[in-house]
Amino acid sequence: NAGVMQNPRHLVRRRGQEARLRCSPMKGHSHVYWYRQLPEEGLKFMVYLQKENIIDESGMPKERFSAEFPKEGPSILRIQQVVRGDSAAYFCASSPDRARANYGYTFGSGTRLTVV
Amino acid sequence: AQTVTQSQPEMSVQEAETVTLSCTYDTSESDYYLFWYKQPPSRQMILVIRQEAYKQQNATENRFSVNFQKAAKSFSLKISDSQLGDAAMYFCAYLGQGAQKLVFGQGTRLTINP
Repeated sequence: NAGVMQNPRHLVRRRGQEARLRCSPMKGHSHVYWYRQLPEEGLKFMVYLQKENIIDESGMPKERFSAEFPKEGPSILRIQQVVRGDSAAYFCASSPDRARANYGYTFGSGTRLTVV
Repeated sequence: AQTVTQSQPEMSVQEAETVTLSCTYDTSESDYYLFWYKQPPSRQMILVIRQEAYKQQNATENRFSVNFQKAAKSFSLKISDSQLGDAAMYFCAYLGQGAQKLVFGQGTRLTINP
């Protein structure tokens, strides 16, 4: 049973380009969470999604950032017109359902985004 | 809003010794969950141990144990018989009852000296 798969592991974008980060949850998991980790800081919640629904996006910047989790395929975190301040590690986590999130998510290995 | 504070940016310990990492949190809730995560250089977030606030008994996982003081809102991690593979960033995290977002502390970088 593969864990949470994130790709790419590293992503370099020039300022103004778009970044697309992908997350495939563990098999049987229908809840996905995205977190951002700035250098030397803890992870900060961005968005919580279930299949085809955004449940909580209270941690998402109002502009340029969007997330989706379609019926088929991975969850996508999209950052438009990237700026240097978007450089960070972006982590995806999944859980099988709302209740079992209490047991702790399973995290992916993250995507390190570097904006040059 | 809940907050989690780790007051030790860095800690070091001799191999085979015991080390304790501190974590305090602020909440008005009575039911919640607390976690310690380990982040080695590979960047993978690994769940180390979990505590349910309504359980008075401290959680234990092999060499890892916690000292959970609910009234003091303290949740420290003790690592016994430290091993070189324990070197990593350690993050304390809070999850409210019914909530879906973890609140993380700033992390403690643990170095193991051979």
